[in-house]
Amino acid sequence: SQQGEEDPQALSIQEGENATMNCSYKTSINNLQWYRQNSGRGLVHLILIRSNEREKHSGRLRVTLDTSKKSSSLLITASRAADTASYFCATAYSSASKIIFGSGTRLSIRP
Amino acid sequence: NAGVMQNPRHLVRRRGQEARLRCSPMKGHSHVYWYRQLPEEGLKFMVYLQKENIIDESGMPKERFSAEFPKEGPSILRIQQVVRGDSAAYFCASSTQGTGGNQPQHFGDGTRLSIL
Repeated sequence: SQQGEEDPQALSIQEGENATMNCSYKTSINNLQWYRQNSGRGLVHLILIRSNEREKHSGRLRVTLDTSKKSSSLLITASRAADTASYFCATAYSSASKIIFGSGTRLSIRP
Repeated sequence: NAGVMQNPRHLVRRRGQEARLRCSPMKGHSHVYWYRQLPEEGLKFMVYLQKENIIDESGMPKERFSAEFPKEGPSILRIQQVVRGDSAAYFCASSTQGTGGNQPQHFGDGTRLSIL
């Protein structure tokens, strides 16, 4: 399977703390994307990082990519209740037109 | 600028009936993807289409399932002779080019299909 795998499967933290989620994949990629899904809704694109990039920022989000370890991490700083959602990584492979989603990390922010 | 529109949001069918799920991509997007999601799981790729063409249907069951994206109108995912195992949320996404080309996908809010 070429699917990315997120770790942990579930994460519960206190509001204001930082949340870190990891994604590992198996073969070389063209890009890796992170998405958020609120309960009952569709996915929302957060960040896309290309294979030649190592780090990207967007507001309170920081994504790193280590192609030698075939892994990526998503850091959410100063978490808020509204960050409660499932987070998915998705990988796009050089020769493919589709992206493959991992099984997700369910993040809960405690008030 | 309207996002990806899926309808219906909820669809109930009895075993053996047909289910038709519709997806209107974002304006200017010519690439459409269909995914299936079971509760507490990730999205499973089903099919990727461009206008009037199926590009990749490797994730779609060979029987009972079909998809189209005509020159005019929405993309349609059709499931014939539905069975209980078809119950799931079906999501559509669109992009300006194939996602291997470094473009994000924009998702609709899905159709939740329930089979009685």
